Amino acid sequence: GAVVSQHPSRVICKSGTSVKIECRSLDFQATTMFWYRQFPKQSLMLMATSNEGSKATYEQGVEKDKFLINHASLTLSTLTVTSAHPEDSSFYICSAEGAPVNTEAFFGQGTRLTVV
Amino acid sequence: QKEVEQNSGPLSVPEGAIASLNCTYSDRGSQSFFWYRQYSGKSPELIMFIYSNGDKEDGRFTAQLNKASQYVSLLIRDSQPSDSATYLCAVGENTDKLIFGTGTRLQVFP
Repeated sequence: GAVVSQHPSRVICKSGTSVKIECRSLDFQATTMFWYRQFPKQSLMLMATSNEGSKATYEQGVEKDKFLINHASLTLSTLTVTSAHPEDSSFYICSAEGAPVNTEAFFGQGTRLTVV
Repeated sequence: QKEVEQNSGPLSVPEGAIASLNCTYSDRGSQSFFWYRQYSGKSPELIMFIYSNGDKEDGRFTAQLNKASQYVSLLIRDSQPSDSATYLCAVGENTDKLIFGTGTRLQVFP
């Protein structure tokens, strides 16, 4: 199956700093990438959808200036959590879909962010 | 507000039994239905997807969809301890903007 690589898998940062998470599609061109957030014992909540070369579409309640998404190429999307606070601590997961496997989306391994 | 409902469990079944996981959804316009398995601390992995009413089988897994009742289920035959995980139901118009249920925790005991 298609492979989506997410990096880093774990990151601890100080409050007020920024953290960048990368999501790469390794063997297909990801026309669309999705970013999710999952708090403990809760389900995945979609944060934003990004299409290559265009601005991301954010879900209601997600601050676009705080969660910066860049999808500059067909194989890479990045999520930057700016001025992170402890309440941003969560499991962040990307998924990607695109040709030729455009009937399903594939998830990255996830990033556990802890803000101290 | 589009919703996907799952019983949080845990659902406990003995090894070798059939595990039945259920999911209901509120949006009648939904076209795509997915079951994901998520181990603790890991990202979800796709088990099956189904688009049409009826049953779809893949190995030990069978997905069942009833659009009239807005109900989708996952059956796991010959359950194994390694199947112990949280199973997430996801529903959407296509693969875009999937709405996930909160998941059902399955425990398979030897």
